[in-house]
Amino acid sequence: GQNIDQPTEMTATEGAIVQINCTYQTSGFNGLFWYQQHAGEAPTFLSYNVLDGLEEKGRFSSFLSRSKGYSYLLLKELQMKDSASYLCAAPRFGNEKLTFGTGTRLTIIP
Amino acid sequence: GAVVSQHPSWVICKSGTSVKIECRSLDFQATTMFWYRQFPKQSLMLMATSNEGSKATYEQGVEKDKFLINHASLTLSTLTVTSAHPEDSSFYICSASGPSTLDEQFFGPGTRLTVL
Repeated sequence: GQNIDQPTEMTATEGAIVQINCTYQTSGFNGLFWYQQHAGEAPTFLSYNVLDGLEEKGRFSSFLSRSKGYSYLLLKELQMKDSASYLCAAPRFGNEKLTFGTGTRLTIIP
Repeated sequence: GAVVSQHPSWVICKSGTSVKIECRSLDFQATTMFWYRQFPKQSLMLMATSNEGSKATYEQGVEKDKFLINHASLTLSTLTVTSAHPEDSSFYICSASGPSTLDEQFFGPGTRLTVL
């Protein structure tokens, strides 16, 4: 089976840096996704990691350690519009069905 | 990028009625479409997976006779919530993938269903 854990809520200050962690236990590994979801909207793709290490994409970076079953999303130079839920998701091994974590609701304060 | 639309974006209905939600891939052929449900402040839960031209595969605990899924073409899938009840009120989101998307899922904007 699949089990994905994330903190439920986080708060960070505008202009700062925040790291959102995700731990996973999957039967087989087929990569890890991060999505951003604003309230009442569909998720939008942020990143996909399949190899260990850090992948940087502008203000957002995603890290993966397969041996530790651990990933994090790093957001720099936080802006108010970054207030959203951030979902960690893993494809089930052998197919493309995604299992989502509970999501982390990030609130940015001035 | 690949675009997926949903219609309607929101719907309010009376208890006991049926509601149909459409999911369309606008600029690619979606061989697979996924239907998710999301309750407030919770994550997305996969309800079913449908492949064009075949019966949908439902996740454990999802009633297939209540949530009817049709994927008759490579660009359209429909979810019909039959005999809706207030507990079915939720945000329903579809996603689609296909050969041209390298199997990456693209999400529709979601449909908010409120059953009175």
